[in-house]
Amino acid sequence: EAQVTQNPRYLITVTGKKLTVTCSQNMNHEYMSWYRQDPGLGLRQIYYSMNVEVTDKGDVPEGYKVSRKEKRNFPLILESPSPNQTSLYFCASSWARNTEAFFGQGTRLTVV
Amino acid sequence: SQQGEEDPQALSIQEGENATMNCSYKTSINNLQWYRQNSGRGLVHLILIRSNEREKHSGRLRVTLDTSKKSSSLLITASRAADTASYFCATDAQGGSEKLVFGKGTKLTVNP
Repeated sequence: EAQVTQNPRYLITVTGKKLTVTCSQNMNHEYMSWYRQDPGLGLRQIYYSMNVEVTDKGDVPEGYKVSRKEKRNFPLILESPSPNQTSLYFCASSWARNTEAFFGQGTRLTVV
Repeated sequence: SQQGEEDPQALSIQEGENATMNCSYKTSINNLQWYRQNSGRGLVHLILIRSNEREKHSGRLRVTLDTSKKSSSLLITASRAADTASYFCATDAQGGSEKLVFGKGTKLTVNP
């Protein structure tokens, strides 16, 4: 089954404690991206990757890092989380940025 | 800055009625996509319309694109309670970056 898998689904952490949210896709897609969703603000792109070892900033990259060492995985790293990073996060993958995107189930992150 | 903006922000209708949502964007695009999101879940792709297309149908969905006005509309005919969800448009600006930009969404409620 074609899918994008994110883990964990829910995470509560403390300010400053490094964390990683994993994302994996099984469709051999080249384009992967991370979004955060906040009430009233819709989805905002954090980072995207057009292929292995090729990543670029989206609209809200501050405080986040990503890596794309393999085609299937695109982890999101918060080196020093802060409360303003409390949000619902989605990973997505597609053949290209302007083709149908498949989304993961979401990760609800709370930073206290 | 966000490319797509949906209108209205919220829409409440009765089962059987038609629902129309609009999306406006700022710069020239290659294509425009519509997605649906059930509460707190990942987005699901509905339909993609290319910049050289004016109208597209998929089941009870009808999408139009007016590139001269930089706007698109999504029409859901004969709505059902199960259509209750948030709907987002996503656009890819021509030239420049490889971002895919989502709007803030329209929250549709279909009352039984």
